[in-house]
Amino acid sequence: NAGVTQTPKFRVLKTGQSMTLLCAQDMNHEYMYWYRQDPGMGLRLIHYSVGEGTTAKGEVPDGYNVSRLKKQNFLLGLESAAPSQTSVYFCASSKGQNQETQYFGPGTRLLVL
Amino acid sequence: LAKTTQPISMDSYEGQEVNITCSHNNIATNDYITWYQQFPSQGPRFIIQGYKTKVTNEVASLFIPADRKSSTLSLPRVSLSDTAVYYCLVGNAGNNRKLIWGLGTSLAVNP
Repeated sequence: NAGVTQTPKFRVLKTGQSMTLLCAQDMNHEYMYWYRQDPGMGLRLIHYSVGEGTTAKGEVPDGYNVSRLKKQNFLLGLESAAPSQTSVYFCASSKGQNQETQYFGPGTRLLVL
Repeated sequence: LAKTTQPISMDSYEGQEVNITCSHNNIATNDYITWYQQFPSQGPRFIIQGYKTKVTNEVASLFIPADRKSSTLSLPRVSLSDTAVYYCLVGNAGNNRKLIWGLGTSLAVNP
């Protein structure tokens, strides 16, 4: 089992460019999440999905879109990157039961110039 | 909406017991309390979870008082490899999930 994997590991964008971050999990988890982590801010939930074909907004959704076309994949898109989106992005998945044990990927470091 | 508060940093020495407390005054009835550990350049990793009273596993214990407004993660006999950031998470399952993460406690274990 690879667990949760994220692609790419690191990316540099110019303001206004677009990109998609890919998250994949092989644990057959129902729930998937996208977080961003900034110094002094902890983890903040961007979007999440409770199943294939469904997505919902988290705490900081503005400037991001997501899609969950397949159960194992959760994509995070930036349509027009801004310097404020410079961050480390983590994807996570969980079974979806009351016990919220989330399994995290290794993260994607994004720098927007 | 539950807000979690935890100390920014703590220092300890090898072999000591470390207790990290998280305050969550507005915890909801169906919220669980979960603690994660994060090393630099890695994603958070699950340590322990509980709903009330005490939970113990092979790496830690979690103490939750009856009012559930706080919780304490206890790490017995820490080693240098326990140097990490520890996060408290309060949340519940369901479609309208609210996952409230603390800002993390940076634990430094000294030799």
